[in-house]
Amino acid sequence: DQQVKQNSPSLSVQEGRISILNCDYTNSMFDYFLWYKKYPAEGPTFLISISSIKDKNEDGRFTVFLNKSAKHLSLHIVPSQPGDSAVYFCAASALRETSGSRLTFGEGTQLTVNP
Amino acid sequence: NAGVTQTPKFRVLKTGQSMTLLCAQDMNHEYMYWYRQDPGMGLRLIHYSVGEGTTAKGEVPDGYNVSRLKKQNFLLGLESAAPSQTSVYFCASSYPTSGYEQYFGPGTRLTVT
Repeated sequence: DQQVKQNSPSLSVQEGRISILNCDYTNSMFDYFLWYKKYPAEGPTFLISISSIKDKNEDGRFTVFLNKSAKHLSLHIVPSQPGDSAVYFCAASALRETSGSRLTFGEGTQLTVNP
Repeated sequence: NAGVTQTPKFRVLKTGQSMTLLCAQDMNHEYMYWYRQDPGMGLRLIHYSVGEGTTAKGEVPDGYNVSRLKKQNFLLGLESAAPSQTSVYFCASSYPTSGYEQYFGPGTRLTVT
């Protein structure tokens, strides 16, 4: 079963506008969430994270929102820039887990920002 | 610092052949991971290690073996490659208490014919 789902395989936005990427999870044990960005032929790079004790975390143009009751998180990019064009992966982990700090990833969303 | 490096970058194998993928990190991280990425499926954890000399199974371990003889290296082996193992393989590492941020290598693209 897919415990972390990104239902939109792709998203296209205009430069300067807001990009909103969504992620849903089913495992109630997850209490730490991360977003990774991936360019072609490169490994994923960490973007921003949020703990379940918060409902919002901001870092420059990037903000992640967490709705625990809906088991939903979203990444907002404002303003979007062409260099933001990449695949974005949502990932989740259970801090209470005792071994490995394992992450469960979503399928990814390809963001394209048009000039 | 080079971060996380992977060798080789590309490889083509015939069914039944074996190979080893090497991952090295210079960040003194305790934890290391091997993932595979397939279209539409995100990254799936194959095996991981919480320290030198220890390994554990992840979500999709069948057909793979791993070893962590040195803290900085994590090897992924395919004993008898199958076409279903055609994928892009990523290695990652992390501190055990860093809030679960993992640092990834550039990937190895493997094709099994």
